[in-house]
Amino acid sequence: GESVGLHLPTLSVQEGDNSIINCAYSNSASDYFIWYKQESGKGPQFIIDIRSNMDKRQGQRVTVLLNKTVKHLSLQIAATQPGDSAVYFCAERGSGNQFYFGTGTSLTVIP
Amino acid sequence: EADIYQTPRYLVIGTGKKITLECSQTMGHDKMYWYQQDPGMELHLIHYSYGVNSTEKGDLSSESTVSRIRTEHFPLTLESARPSHTSQYLCASSEQSGLPEAFFGQGTRLTVV
Repeated sequence: GESVGLHLPTLSVQEGDNSIINCAYSNSASDYFIWYKQESGKGPQFIIDIRSNMDKRQGQRVTVLLNKTVKHLSLQIAATQPGDSAVYFCAERGSGNQFYFGTGTSLTVIP
Repeated sequence: EADIYQTPRYLVIGTGKKITLECSQTMGHDKMYWYQQDPGMELHLIHYSYGVNSTEKGDLSSESTVSRIRTEHFPLTLESARPSHTSQYLCASSEQSGLPEAFFGQGTRLTVV
């Protein structure tokens, strides 16, 4: 099929290390952001979200940071495990309440 | 686990055939979406719906069409499949209010030969 976008950047980390995955979003009016994890052959699954009135939100082993000044999101995964290997996407909710996805990052955890 | 289902999971079909990809959700969500994703690539929004009888085109031009006759059902149709339609198609849904996150189905991997 015809390619519809860029090939994904990749990140390799050792098991037990922390991972940081970055995402740039495009619309300064977006009010809500989500990180999704997509394993091979599956649909994206929700990891963590953050509203635009927050700078940081923590979940279990994951932290999302939002920098609205530079329109940048990051996902931090603590003590990365082999099961964390997947493609990670950030999504922003636009003014029409639809979700737009950024370029994902393929994370590989080395045992 | 999200209650959103796509069928078929895999489909190989000849050029020129008409196909419909099914998507159903049992969560009562008003909003539904179709995304197209090539292997190892980004997700691109091709259609969305705010509710029954509402359909809108997304940011990626697509030759497919959608309908929303029932809240739980959001099928995507290709009138005449071509090899350029080969891709993975992901359906998602979300609430109008409350938790705004989108829940995804497993996807349909379509191959047109």
